[in-house]
Amino acid sequence: GNSVTQMEGPVTLSEEAFLTINCTYTATGYPSLFWYVQYPGEGLQLLLKATKADDKGSNKGFEATYRKETTSFHLEKGSVQVSDSAVYFCALSSGGFKTIFGAGTRLFVKA
Amino acid sequence: GAGVSQTPSNKVTEKGKYVELRCDPISGHTALYWYRQSLGQGPEFLIYFQGTGAADDSGLPNDRFFAVRPEGSVSTLKIQRTERGDSAVYLCASSPSVGPRSGELFFGEGSRLTVL
Repeated sequence: GNSVTQMEGPVTLSEEAFLTINCTYTATGYPSLFWYVQYPGEGLQLLLKATKADDKGSNKGFEATYRKETTSFHLEKGSVQVSDSAVYFCALSSGGFKTIFGAGTRLFVKA
Repeated sequence: GAGVSQTPSNKVTEKGKYVELRCDPISGHTALYWYRQSLGQGPEFLIYFQGTGAADDSGLPNDRFFAVRPEGSVSTLKIQRTERGDSAVYLCASSPSVGPRSGELFFGEGSRLTVL
């Protein structure tokens, strides 16, 4: 069946550091890929998405490229801020819109 | 309201009791999802509605769990004979089925269920 695997956290970085959170997936067909974010005390919200191979999703300085050859969708940001501290979830949706989530990666950014 | 609304936000019950959790989706969203999230885990899929019908209920853990969406809008997740292992945050999300944002999930704040 479909699945998503993402790197375990927590990830702790200093402000302005470079961020990578790895995500790989297993899916039949051609899934859409997503990153969702959960800020402290808030609900889950979409951060970015990519719907086909080689697409790059971007939002708020975050980027992720849909790599079919490596079945990956790694999240990157060039310079993190304290306000980026949150839990990040990689997810995929294939076929009938059922969306599967990874376990989440908690990010702490220190000032 | 403009977002997905879930009630109650917090529910404490005793083992063996019956619980109902309600979700009011974004107006016009035909797809509605229920997920369960335990501490430190990602959302676990339970059931997905397209309109009034359950398009995929493969995530419901057993027959104590049931969900309805009789008019294609509000949905209720029903849990019978609750067990301590049912304690979790139950998340509802809605999604447009067509257009550029189809497939994107818009989540509510969740209903935290504690079974004593």
